[in-house]
Order: sequence, then C-alpha cells, then structure tokens
Amino acid sequence: KQEVTQIPAALSVPEGENLVLNCSFTDSAIYNLQWFRQDPGKGLTSLLLIQSSQREQTSGRLNASLDKSSGRSTLYIAASQPGDSATYLCAVSNAGNMLTFGGGTRLMVKP
Amino acid sequence: DAGVTQSPTHLIKTRGQQVTLRCSPKSGHDTVSWYQQALGQGPQFIFQYYEEEERQRGNFPDRFSGHQFPNYSSELNVNALLLGDSALYLCASSLGDWGTNYGYTFGSGTRLTVV
Repeated sequence: KQEVTQIPAALSVPEGENLVLNCSFTDSAIYNLQWFRQDPGKGLTSLLLIQSSQREQTSGRLNASLDKSSGRSTLYIAASQPGDSATYLCAVSNAGNMLTFGGGTRLMVKP
Repeated sequence: DAGVTQSPTHLIKTRGQQVTLRCSPKSGHDTVSWYQQALGQGPQFIFQYYEEEERQRGNFPDRFSGHQFPNYSSELNVNALLLGDSALYLCASSLGDWGTNYGYTFGSGTRLTVV
C-alpha cells in the first residue's frame, strides 16, 4: 500500500526566503507525482506534474524535483511572498489511476 | 473553458440522512474521481467513474455510492450519514487513462457538515 509523507507539517518563514518542502513515498512504482496548492476551505490547484521518467519541472518561482528510486520529491519556492501562504499537498499516481496524498505542509509567509 | 464544477458548495445534514453531491467535469474530460478530505488531512480516494461504471474504489463502506451520466457528470451519494462523514468532498476529472500523463483537475469541493 502506497504511503505518502510530507515534512514539515507546518512552516513559517519571513517574506523573501527560499524554502523547500519535502515529500516521500514508499512505493517507487509511480506513474507521476503532482504538487497541489490548497487555500483554506478551498479546492486543489495543480502546481506541477512530474512524470516518472522526468527529474524536475519548473513553473515561475516553483521547481519540483523527483527521485523515484529513493521515493522522494522536493518543492522549491524561491523568494517567498505572503501570497504563497497555503497548504501544499503532494500526490502520487500508481497503477489504477488513483492519487495517494500526503498530509500536506501548511506554509505561512510573514510580511 | 469551464473547469470542474461542484454543487452545492456547503451542506448541513442530520445523522442518518442521505445526501447527494454533484460534479461536472472539465470540458473534454470523461473520467471523474471523488475524494474525501477531513479537516487537517490529505484527501482520501473514494472511487472513480469511467464510461458510466465504477472503475476503482478506495477503502470506503457501501454507504458511499456513485453514478456517472452519459454527459460524464457524476453524483456521489452517502446514506445513513455519520458525524465522521463531515468533510470536504472533492471531485477530480481527467481524460480516460491519461490522468497518469496529464494529471487531474480538481473542483472547489462541497463542505458537508453532519450534525
């Protein structure tokens, strides 16, 4: 059974800092890994999708890497802003088209 | 291009009642998945519908059932509601088996409160 863990569970940083969110998974036989953002009480917004054959994806100030063999992914946020405050979720897709999510990292960026 | 639409946005029900939640997938998508997200936790997979059939199911009791219509929209039904069913219910759509290639698009969810 796939298990996904995200560390840290919560993070508070001053504006402008570069930061790294971590995601680990137990079963390396994944098709892809997706990072999502969730604002309080809202749905999920897809940030980055990394296929199992890829090592990283970039979008603006966001960069996600994937090391499938070690079961790890990191989401790097450059020059953080208060508007980045949200919960960040990683999810992996195994055979069967279902997503398994981690518990999320709650990020607070202070002005 | 409309994304995933869910209704209603909020719902309050009493224990023992039944509830129906609705989802319209993103234009061009034909597969709908449902997830339950308890407060402070990551979403948990309930089931997935493709070609009007349940294709895969997570670890949820039979009180949770669903349906997909010919226009690809979907309903989630929960019978005999329990307090523990209180959660945000998320719908995600994708194109066939290509969710593994192109990812999933989520709706804004339905917040269900059982009292």
